[in-house]
Amino acid sequence: ETGVTQSPTHLIKTRGQQVTLRCSSQSGHNTVSWYQQALGQGPQFIFQYYREEENGRGNFPPRFSGLQFPNYSSELNVNALELDDSALYLCASSLGQGVREQYFGPGTRLTVT
Amino acid sequence: EDQVTQSPEALRLQEGESSSLNCSYTVSGLRGLFWYRQDPGKGPEFLFTLYSAGEEKEKERLKATLTKKESFLHITAPKPEDSATYLCAVQEKSAGTASKLTFGTGTRLQVTL
Repeated sequence: ETGVTQSPTHLIKTRGQQVTLRCSSQSGHNTVSWYQQALGQGPQFIFQYYREEENGRGNFPPRFSGLQFPNYSSELNVNALELDDSALYLCASSLGQGVREQYFGPGTRLTVT
Repeated sequence: EDQVTQSPEALRLQEGESSSLNCSYTVSGLRGLFWYRQDPGKGPEFLFTLYSAGEEKEKERLKATLTKKESFLHITAPKPEDSATYLCAVQEKSAGTASKLTFGTGTRLQVTL
């Protein structure tokens, strides 16, 4: 069974640029959630995708957007990067809706300069 | 708004010295409470899910318990490899079908020889 994978591992971008982060869910999982984790903080919920539809969103502006593909992999896109977007971006997959354990990937470390 | 507070922020134990980590939460209706372990620069690793007050779960040296307002993670006779940040997260009933997790800021545990 393959776990959650994310790419790239690290990324450095300049303020104002755009970035795309990728996530492959654990085998058999159809729900993907994205979280942002600033240094020393707990992860903050960005949004969730279930069967290719956005299924819930946290307090993040519209420049954070996403996609889920038929194979349940997912992308997180961030436009007009700001310095405060520097963080560890985590993808988590789960099976179905409701109370389900979410299994996290290793994360992508984004640095905005 | 959901609130999850973890204490202490940091804890240093000697090998074999048992202790407990606390997670207090304020939600309008709890669907589930989750414990994760996170090593530096890595994604959170799932440990336990607790659903209702009075429930307990164990795994090796860890035992999680749940009351109506808080959860405890008891660590018995810890070893240096238990050093990590322990995160608590809640899932609220009003989140609808989205299985959004609201995290605390974690407890950084260091176990020394």
